[in-house]
Amino acid sequence: DVKVTQSSRYLVKRTGEKVFLECVQDMDHENMFWYRQDPGLGLRLIYFSYDVKMKEKGDIPEGYSVSREKKERFSLILESASTNQTSMYLCASTKGSGRASDTQYFGPGTRLTVL
Amino acid sequence: QKEVEQNSGPLSVPEGAIASLNCTYSDRGSQSFFWYRQYSGKSPELIMSIYSNGDKEDGRFTAQLNKASQYVSLLIRDSQPSDSATYLCAARYNQGGKLIFGQGTELSVKP
Repeated sequence: DVKVTQSSRYLVKRTGEKVFLECVQDMDHENMFWYRQDPGLGLRLIYFSYDVKMKEKGDIPEGYSVSREKKERFSLILESASTNQTSMYLCASTKGSGRASDTQYFGPGTRLTVL
Repeated sequence: QKEVEQNSGPLSVPEGAIASLNCTYSDRGSQSFFWYRQYSGKSPELIMSIYSNGDKEDGRFTAQLNKASQYVSLLIRDSQPSDSATYLCAARYNQGGKLIFGQGTELSVKP
């Protein structure tokens, strides 16, 4: 079974803090993704990565950065957390085979509250 | 802009009935389609994927794809209260695995 893990299920931070959200997958997947999910706005893509040290902006990259130093690990960084970044953050990965069946698997999510 | 549209619901069906969830997509280049189920406070989990026109069945679930009409649906037979969740439709339009998600349809199955 594919396993995608995230470092924390719940996190509370203060405005202005630097926040690191970690995601690890154990299936040698090439592609990894970070989303945030908010009521009424659905899933929105923040950043994604097709390979180690590669990153591409998604739909809402402002206020975020990412790091992918190892294939299995994709980190999301909030440089200076703000209250409008309070959200559920979801990490996902895919094999990147290019096949139609290539499926995106999600981690359990991190519910971040910024006070 | 590439979009995936779903009725937000809530869709309410009695236990044992068929629940029908619908999704339309804007980009004819979309190749693969996925249905995810998401319980409140949890992450999405894959139910079914479909890539070819027609029906695909897996237990109580049937996915239907009509590329000419740009329409995807999910039927849940013999609905159970445990099926109560939000169902997300997603389309993939390139090889990179990037998905476009709909807003999700909330399903409520009443005992």
